[in-house]
Amino acid sequence: GQQVMQIPQYQHVQEGEDFTTYCNSSTTLSNIQWYKQRPGGHPVFLIQLVKSGEVKKQKRLTFQFGEAKKNSSLHITATQTTDVGTYFCAGSSGNDYKLSFGAGTTVTVRA
Amino acid sequence: ETGVTQSPTHLIKTRGQQVTLRCSSQSGHNTVSWYQQALGQGPQFIFQYYREEENGRGNFPPRFSGLQFPNYSSELNVNALELDDSALYLCASSSRLADTQYFGPGTRLTVL
Repeated sequence: GQQVMQIPQYQHVQEGEDFTTYCNSSTTLSNIQWYKQRPGGHPVFLIQLVKSGEVKKQKRLTFQFGEAKKNSSLHITATQTTDVGTYFCAGSSGNDYKLSFGAGTTVTVRA
Repeated sequence: ETGVTQSPTHLIKTRGQQVTLRCSSQSGHNTVSWYQQALGQGPQFIFQYYREEENGRGNFPPRFSGLQFPNYSSELNVNALELDDSALYLCASSSRLADTQYFGPGTRLTVL
C-alpha cells in the first residue's frame, strides 16, 4: 500500500533560522496536503498542492510539490516560537480518497 | 475553529469493553473520515463515510465499525477493546470526496 515518509522526525531550530521538512511517497499522488498539530491539539489544515511542480507560499511558509508528484517539502523562513508543533504531510492517490499521513516532523524553537 | 465537534473528549475503558465515539461534521459537509493517532505518530486512516455509505477502509480489523446518519454526523464503534486501541481518535469532515478535510478536536481513548 501507499506509504508516506517524512524527514527529519525532529527539528530543533534557533529562532530566526530557516528549516525544511521533506515528504516522500512510495506512489504517485493526486494531491498532497500539509497539516500542523500543536501539542495537545488536533491537525489543522495548512494547504493542498495538486499540480506537478506547484509552489505555494503562506507568509513565511513555502510549500512545494515535486515534478513526479511523489515528494513535497515545507520550508519555513525566520522561524518563530509560534511555529512550534508537528507538521504532517498527507497524500491521496487516484480514486482512493483516504489520506495517508507521514509520521510528522516535530519542531522545537530555541529563543 | 473548524465546526467539527467530537464527543466525548476523554474516555477510559477496560480491555474487552465496547466504545462508541461521535462526530458532528461541519455544516454543508457530507463526508466524514475517521483516524486513529497513537502517541508520537501520524493519524492512520480507519474508514470514510460518504452519504451514509462506507467509501473506503484502512487496515483496521472488523471490530472497528462505523455509521453515518442522514444529517451526516457519524459514529465510530470499537468492540473487544485492546490495550493498543489507546489513542486519539480524530474525525474529519469535507464537503466532497478528496476535498480538504477539517479535523475535530478528537477523543482521547485510554484502554486499561
